[in-house]
Amino acid sequence: DTGVSQNPRHKITKRGQNVTFRCDPISEHNRLYWYRQTLGQGPEFLTYFQNEAQLEKSRLLSDRFSAERPKGSFSTLEIQRTEQGDSAMYLCASFLRGGNTGELFFGEGSRLTVL
Amino acid sequence: AQSVTQLDSQVPVFEEAPVELRCNYSSSVSVYLFWYVQYPNQGLQLLLKYLSGSTLVKGINGFEAEFNKSQTSFHLRKPSVHISDTAEYFCAVVNPQGGSEKLVFGKGTKLTVNP
Repeated sequence: DTGVSQNPRHKITKRGQNVTFRCDPISEHNRLYWYRQTLGQGPEFLTYFQNEAQLEKSRLLSDRFSAERPKGSFSTLEIQRTEQGDSAMYLCASFLRGGNTGELFFGEGSRLTVL
Repeated sequence: AQSVTQLDSQVPVFEEAPVELRCNYSSSVSVYLFWYVQYPNQGLQLLLKYLSGSTLVKGINGFEAEFNKSQTSFHLRKPSVHISDTAEYFCAVVNPQGGSEKLVFGKGTKLTVNP
């Protein structure tokens, strides 16, 4: 257990529905990252926050995706009008700025299946 | 931009045999290098990292990796594997000048240790 928790762990939805994932990072970590992992691929960066500020977004993050970290603690990732291509594992990771470089702490992921 | 190539998608080995998982990277700037491991149904965790100094780095569970700048490689090795090493292994890089701690991952190598 890394201390990063993600919910729900699994979500099955129909195409066109909206889904939301939640990530609770390690409490003192000020940076939070979202990655997407599809079958046969490594994790791909989506976005990251420092405290409540969203500092970078990948081109992978289409306008149907929105991420928030309103109080600089937990974060949500919402996907609107889901498509079958959104089926993936969504990973959250946290990091304490000034900590050991590259040592991100990952949650177990939220697996999305779009039917 | 940085990229990582993991040359083998699957590596089957017998228990107590040595193993090498290959990783090559591409970058126009100096990078830090990492290996992460993902056990079944668990999140990614850091195995080892190279930041600077000695090119041979040791990690957890008896793994080690060697940084080779001329060959832009960071291969992971273990002299004798156990059944419990069965997992997916990801090589990753980060640009230390970027400030974001954003990891760029390879596609992963699935190591299967057979009895």
